[in-house]
Amino acid sequence: KAGVTQTPRYLIKTRGQQVTLSCSPISGHRSVSWYQQTPGQGLQFLFEYFSETQRNKGNFPGRFSGRQFSNSRSEMNVSTLELGDSALYLCASSDGDRINYGYTFGSGTRLTVV
Amino acid sequence: AQSVAQPEDQVNVAEGNPLTVKCTYSVSGNPYLFWYVQYPNRGLQFLLKYITGDNLVKGSYGFEAEFNKSQTSFHLKKPSALVSDSALYFCAVRDMGRDDKIIFGKGTRLHILP
Repeated sequence: KAGVTQTPRYLIKTRGQQVTLSCSPISGHRSVSWYQQTPGQGLQFLFEYFSETQRNKGNFPGRFSGRQFSNSRSEMNVSTLELGDSALYLCASSDGDRINYGYTFGSGTRLTVV
Repeated sequence: AQSVAQPEDQVNVAEGNPLTVKCTYSVSGNPYLFWYVQYPNRGLQFLLKYITGDNLVKGSYGFEAEFNKSQTSFHLKKPSALVSDSALYFCAVRDMGRDDKIIFGKGTRLHILP
């Protein structure tokens, strides 16, 4: 059973640009959550998508957005990049069972903004 | 709001010795608690969870965690540390407030000294 696939693994962007990250969850999983990981802040929750609908959202500015497709693949977009957006972005999939909540994480996309 | 704290940024343990990585939590209602491990350049891997039942939870790679309701703690333990256990460990709690999501602690870096 394939794991969670995130592409690309590494990205370098310039301040002001926009970027799109992709996440393919485990087959059959309908929930995809995104986290931002930085050394100072740890893991910060961005948002969760379930069956193509945003189910939860963290405290990030509107520059951060996402969507989920009918095949459960999810994309995350960051517009007008800032230096502080440099981070490891992790995607986590689950079967959406809120009682037995377990995540499977991808290896992440490391974004560097210069 | 729910929260989780890992009071130690780093823990050093000699190989073969028992290890403990500390975690305390704050929740309203019954806690759903998790431990994850992150190896370099990888995503997080699920170790174990506590939802209900026995206070001692057994997980992957010989790890276990002890749930203590009176002390609001969920410390991760292993009887005999291996050098390969060196990694970043995250404690997490499910926040079932307005937005149902998992909140992570800032992480504890575990160094096992040969």
